[in-house]
Amino acid sequence: AQTVTQSQPEMSVQEAETVTLSCTYDTSESDYYLFWYKQPPSRQMILVIRQEAYKQQNATENRFSVNFQKAAKSFSLKISDSQLGDAAMYFCALGPDKLIFGTGTRLQVFP
Amino acid sequence: GAGVSQSPRYKVAKRGQDVALRCDPISGHVSLFWYQQALGQGPEFLTYFQNEAQLDKSGLPSDRFFAERPEGSVSTLKIQRTQQEDSAVYLCASSFGQFSNQPQHFGDGTRLSIL
Repeated sequence: AQTVTQSQPEMSVQEAETVTLSCTYDTSESDYYLFWYKQPPSRQMILVIRQEAYKQQNATENRFSVNFQKAAKSFSLKISDSQLGDAAMYFCALGPDKLIFGTGTRLQVFP
Repeated sequence: GAGVSQSPRYKVAKRGQDVALRCDPISGHVSLFWYQQALGQGPEFLTYFQNEAQLDKSGLPSDRFFAERPEGSVSTLKIQRTQQEDSAVYLCASSFGQFSNQPQHFGDGTRLSIL
């Protein structure tokens, strides 16, 4: 069975600082994708970043980057220069098609 | 449209009633997914369509749940004889192609409350 685990129910960060959200997963597939989604109170899931398992290079999208450790089955999200608008629930997900989500990490950003 | 549209945004029903939730995917998107998100949890997969074909319905929790996409565009998720445990947010997502490397775009969801 495929599983995704997020062990941090809540995290907080000061504006302009850096925060890292953790995610581990388990799958027997050799070809898969990993995603981080952001869900603000409006409920709409917004794709933050994705990583193809066959790519060794860590994905980066502006202030968001991942640390993909394939052997350890770890996929953490680093948010640099945190902004107030980054406050939301963050979900780690395993794909490619039907997504398996973790339980989420609530990120608070303090001014 | 600009994004995935779901209606209604909120739905309240009495236990035992039937409900229908609608999803309008992004125009031209081939794949469509339904997820159920219980309070404080991550979304859980329900079912998946490629055009009008339902390729995977392994996540539907019981035979009270039924989904269709008859013309390969709009999809409806129907729940018959609703139970309190059906209370959740139902999310719809669509993606452009039939290949797995296309990202899923989500709607705002329908919050279903069963009294």
